Amino acid sequence: DVKVTQSSRYLVKRTGEKVFLECVQDMDHENMFWYRQDPGLGLRLIYFSYDVKMKEKGDIPEGYSVSREKKERFSLILESASTNQTSMYLCASSFPPGGDIYSGANVLTFGAGSRLTVL
Amino acid sequence: GENVEQHPSTLSVQEGDSAVIKCTYSDSASNYFPWYKQELGKRPQLIIDIRSNVGEKKDQRIAVTLNKTAKHFSLHITETQPEDSAVYFCAALSGYALNFGKGTSLLVTP
Repeated sequence: DVKVTQSSRYLVKRTGEKVFLECVQDMDHENMFWYRQDPGLGLRLIYFSYDVKMKEKGDIPEGYSVSREKKERFSLILESASTNQTSMYLCASSFPPGGDIYSGANVLTFGAGSRLTVL
Repeated sequence: GENVEQHPSTLSVQEGDSAVIKCTYSDSASNYFPWYKQELGKRPQLIIDIRSNVGEKKDQRIAVTLNKTAKHFSLHITETQPEDSAVYFCAALSGYALNFGKGTSLLVTP
């Protein structure tokens, strides 16, 4: 029944390492998102994608990049990890409004999260 | 981007009492306002949402109200139960993406 799968639940990396966080959804959703969750700061949008090979910056894109080569997969990349990127990373997907905008459009389905620790 | 303010950050109520969480948003074009509940160690899950063509929506013990003129919306939980204890997030849709408030930690004590 799992619909959004994040490849790693827990990662520990060293400062300067390149980090890949993978997310796969099996619901044929057009939209995919990466959020970062920190205590007291809520969920902050890093990047999102509304189609294959398309990407848009969210509120906190600095230090991150993304890749969406296939509809079902959205990867978050930390080119050179830093200690301030220690956080919980949540992937989510949704489908956009179509002819009927009241049919569940924009409802996010989240993955279980990837807790990254950068030492 | 869209700015969503959420209050209070923490809320403690006794079982059976009501709880109210309020949010304001900045983008007047926003037309979709969901509420997510996140239990400890779990992923956020949608509990109720409202679209801008209605002012109120109810689902059993939870209800959401929307005031588009004032750009604020609220979550109401009646007859609270210990299993309602969680972090609640409001959000507003701006373009393709949901922007979230910082969350309200609700504690329901028996």
